[in-house]
Amino acid sequence: AQSVTQLGSHVSVSEGALVLLRCNYSSSVPPYLFWYVQYPNQGLQLLLKYTSAATLVKGINGFEAEFKKSETSFHLTKPSAHMSDAAEYFCAVSDQSAQKLVFGQGTRLTINP
Amino acid sequence: DTAVSQTPKYLVTQMGNDKSIKCEQNLGHDTMYWYKQDSKKFLKIMFSYNNKELIINETVPNRFSPKSPDKAHLNLHINSLELGDSAVYFCASSQGRGFGNTIYFGEGSWLTVV
Repeated sequence: AQSVTQLGSHVSVSEGALVLLRCNYSSSVPPYLFWYVQYPNQGLQLLLKYTSAATLVKGINGFEAEFKKSETSFHLTKPSAHMSDAAEYFCAVSDQSAQKLVFGQGTRLTINP
Repeated sequence: DTAVSQTPKYLVTQMGNDKSIKCEQNLGHDTMYWYKQDSKKFLKIMFSYNNKELIINETVPNRFSPKSPDKAHLNLHINSLELGDSAVYFCASSQGRGFGNTIYFGEGSWLTVV
C-alpha cells in the first residue's frame, strides 16, 4: 500500500526566504503525487501534481516540486516566501492499485515578517 | 459558482443526535468522496462513489451512511453522534476513479458534537 511522510509538522521561514517542504512517498508501482494547500477554515486546493510527464512540476502561486525516484521524494519549494503562503500543506499519493488519495500528515507553514 | 459545495459549513449538535451533510458538484465528475479531517489535521478517506456505486468504504462505523441519489450528489448521514465524530468532513469529486485524476474538494463541514 502506498503512503506519504511529510518531514516536519511545522516549518517557519522569513518573508522572502526559500520555502522547502519535504515529502517522501512509498509506492510499489509508479505513483501519482500531489501537493494541496489548505488556508485557515477553507477546503483543500491543488497546488500541483506529478503524473510522470516531467520530473520538475510547476504549480500555482510560484510553487514547484521535483520528483526524485532514487530518493522517493517529492519536495515542494518556492524561491521567495510571501505572507499569503501561510497555510497547511499536504502531500498526497495515489497509484493504479488504489482508487483514492492517501495524504501525509500535513506541514503548517508560518511566514515571519 | 462553487464547484463542490457542501452544507452546512458549521454544525454543533448533541451526542446521540442524527445529522446529515449534503454535497453537490457541478463539474460533471463521475466520482465523489467523503474525507474526514481530525483535530490533528490528518485527512483520511471514508467513502468513494463512482456513478452512484459505492467503491470504497474504509472501515467506517456503520453509523455513517453515505447516499448518492445521482452522480452529482453525495450526502453523508450520521446516526447516534459521538464526541469522537467531531471533525471536519470534506466532500470531493474527480473525473474517473482517483489515480492520477485531480480531486477537487469542497470547503468542508465543521462538525462539533457536545
